[in-house]
Amino acid sequence: KNEVEQSPQNLTAQEGEFITINCSYSVGISALHWLQQHPGGGIVSLFMLSSGKKKHGRLIATINIQEKHSSLHITASHPRDSAVYICVLHPAYNTDKLIFGTGTRLQVFP
Amino acid sequence: NAGVTQTPKFQVLKTGQSMTLQCAQDMNHNSMYWYRQDPGMGLRLIYYSASEGTTDKGEVPNGYNVSRLNKREFSLRLESAAPSQTSVYFCASRLQGSYNEQFFGPGTRLTVL
Repeated sequence: KNEVEQSPQNLTAQEGEFITINCSYSVGISALHWLQQHPGGGIVSLFMLSSGKKKHGRLIATINIQEKHSSLHITASHPRDSAVYICVLHPAYNTDKLIFGTGTRLQVFP
Repeated sequence: NAGVTQTPKFQVLKTGQSMTLQCAQDMNHNSMYWYRQDPGMGLRLIYYSASEGTTDKGEVPNGYNVSRLNKREFSLRLESAAPSQTSVYFCASRLQGSYNEQFFGPGTRLTVL
């Protein structure tokens, strides 16, 4: 069983829709990181979470440590949000060996 | 600050050739990492260095060697390139500690013919 699962793998949306991307995991973690990878390949850090909720512009990330689950929400989606979103675990047993999800590919159409 | 820089951006090799991918960071980070990303797959850790002078294997170390030259630089060497090593390679760095995020370089696209 994979230590981290992202869903859905692929997602298409119309501009303006509310988007949710999920990340479930099975190991104890000290933190969880959401990354965005643009079509050109560059990787950008979005959020680092250890509890609760964080908001930046139209992006919101939540984490429930007891349920081992995190969500990334995008409100009022826009074509420029089209990217791959990656969930990264910082395991409590080894803070150097991070665990990467396989990513959710989002396409937002005008 | 330049952040994390990688050279080269693109490279084409023939099977059996060797090359070194360079990575440098100017953020005074302790930990540095090399990942590969293949189509349809997530990032996979090749090697990492928790501090200057130490290196450890990741998930897919075979066919690679690394050198942590100093705190700033972490290089990845392919001694005898194989077509299976065609991939995009990312270097990353972070401060040690549970809550510190990783910063990624722009990637090197390597093709082995």
